[in-house]
Amino acid sequence: EPEVTQTPSHQVTQMGQEVILRCVPISNHLYFYWYRQILGQKVEFLVSFYNNEISEKSEIFDDQFSVERPDGSNFTLKIRSTKLEDSAMYFCASSVYGGDSYEQYFGPGTRLTVT
Amino acid sequence: GQSLEQPSEVTAVEGAIVQINCTYQTSGFYGLSWYQQHDGGAPTFLSYNALDGLEETGRFSSFLSRSDSYGYLLLQELQMKDSASYFCAVSSNTGKLIFGQGTTLQVKP
Repeated sequence: EPEVTQTPSHQVTQMGQEVILRCVPISNHLYFYWYRQILGQKVEFLVSFYNNEISEKSEIFDDQFSVERPDGSNFTLKIRSTKLEDSAMYFCASSVYGGDSYEQYFGPGTRLTVT
Repeated sequence: GQSLEQPSEVTAVEGAIVQINCTYQTSGFYGLSWYQQHDGGAPTFLSYNALDGLEETGRFSSFLSRSDSYGYLLLQELQMKDSASYFCAVSSNTGKLIFGQGTTLQVKP
């Protein structure tokens, strides 16, 4: 069964450093998302992406964050200058279509630890 | 703003039926989804309701009342493997999911 993959599974970085989290969505999916989950808390929406453009972003997704689809398979989240509060599990998700009725498939996540 | 309320914890025994409620306040509501998450792993889609009524998928059913801004997830014939966190989430027309805080379900033998 097709699945979303994410690398690395765990990333440790120092405050102020740049990190890039990578995702390979399911191949025939057209809509891509990033979410994050701080330990013990709810899953929070960061950004949605379609047709090489950001569709929507949350208040969390400030100028320190960016997303890119550099080729036909990868979807990346970059944090330019990490802060302690960026420590969280970051999930990539994809769906066949956008809109409200389509199941989103989540990857296993990247645990980001900022020290 | 948008907010969702669901119980933080529910405990039930194997074979029983459990209902997890979700109330929401949101603008631009399109539908209510339910996701399961084991031990901080990937959330997994369970069910979706856009219209009022009951949707059944095997042992899991989900209900929505748009007029009451309320929905629930019903899990029947509980198994130990159903112990997990369950999140309700409202969706927008862009596909954005806004999640509730999650309900931790503990199934006991």
